[in-house]
Amino acid sequence: QVQLVQSGAEVKKPGASVKVSCKVSGKSLTELSMHWVRQAPGKGLEWMGGFDPEDGETIYAQKFQGRVTMTEDTSTDTAHMELSSLRSEDTAVYYCVGGWYFDLWGRGTLVTVSS
Amino acid sequence: SYELTQPSSVSVSPGQTARITCSGDLLAKKNGRWFQQKPGQAPVLVIYRDTKRPSGIPERFSGSSSGTTVTLTISGAQVEDEADYYCYSAADNNRIFGGGTKLTVL
Repeated sequence: QVQLVQSGAEVKKPGASVKVSCKVSGKSLTELSMHWVRQAPGKGLEWMGGFDPEDGETIYAQKFQGRVTMTEDTSTDTAHMELSSLRSEDTAVYYCVGGWYFDLWGRGTLVTVSS
Repeated sequence: SYELTQPSSVSVSPGQTARITCSGDLLAKKNGRWFQQKPGQAPVLVIYRDTKRPSGIPERFSGSSSGTTVTLTISGAQVEDEADYYCYSAADNNRIFGGGTKLTVL
C-alpha cells in the first residue's frame, strides 16, 4: 500500500521560511510525479506546483513563483516544499499529492504564520 | 488565466440524485477530475478523465462532460456523501481547482 507521510505542524513568524517534507512508502518517489496543494482555513484547494513528467521539469503556479521551491531526494523517497517570505495569508494545510490523477494524498501539514 | 466555476452549495434528500456542475473554457479541450473532501480529511479522487471511477469508489458516483461543462452525479445520494466536492483540470503549465461545492444530504 502506497502512503505519503508528511512532516509535523509548523509555526512560523512573518518573513520566515518553512520546509515541509513528504516521505513516500510502498513505491518509488520517481513513479509518482509529486505535487503540492494547499488549503487555507475554510477555503478551497489551491495548486502550488509539482513535477510535470511530460517536460521532466518542476512547474510552479505563477502566484508562488520566486517564493516556492520543490525538491526531491530520491535516495530517501522524500519530497520537500519550501516556501519563503511567509505572511499571514500563507497559514494553511499543505498537502503533498502523487499519482498521475492525484489519487494519492498525504494527510496534510498545518503551517501557521503568526507574529 | 483559466477558471473553473462551481455552485457554492447543492442540497438533496437521501436517495435523491445530486448533480454538481463545473464550467470553464479549458474543459472544452481538457479532461476533468472530481475530488471529495470530508471535514478534517484529505481530498479523495472520485472521478478522473471526465467519466472514470477509481477502484473503491461506489458506483453511484459518475461523471459526464459536455462542451465546457463537466458534471458529477451521485445517484441515490447517501448521508455519508455529504462533503465538499472540487473539480479540477490542467492546462499548459497550470493546474486548476474549482472553488468547491458543499453537498448537503439531509
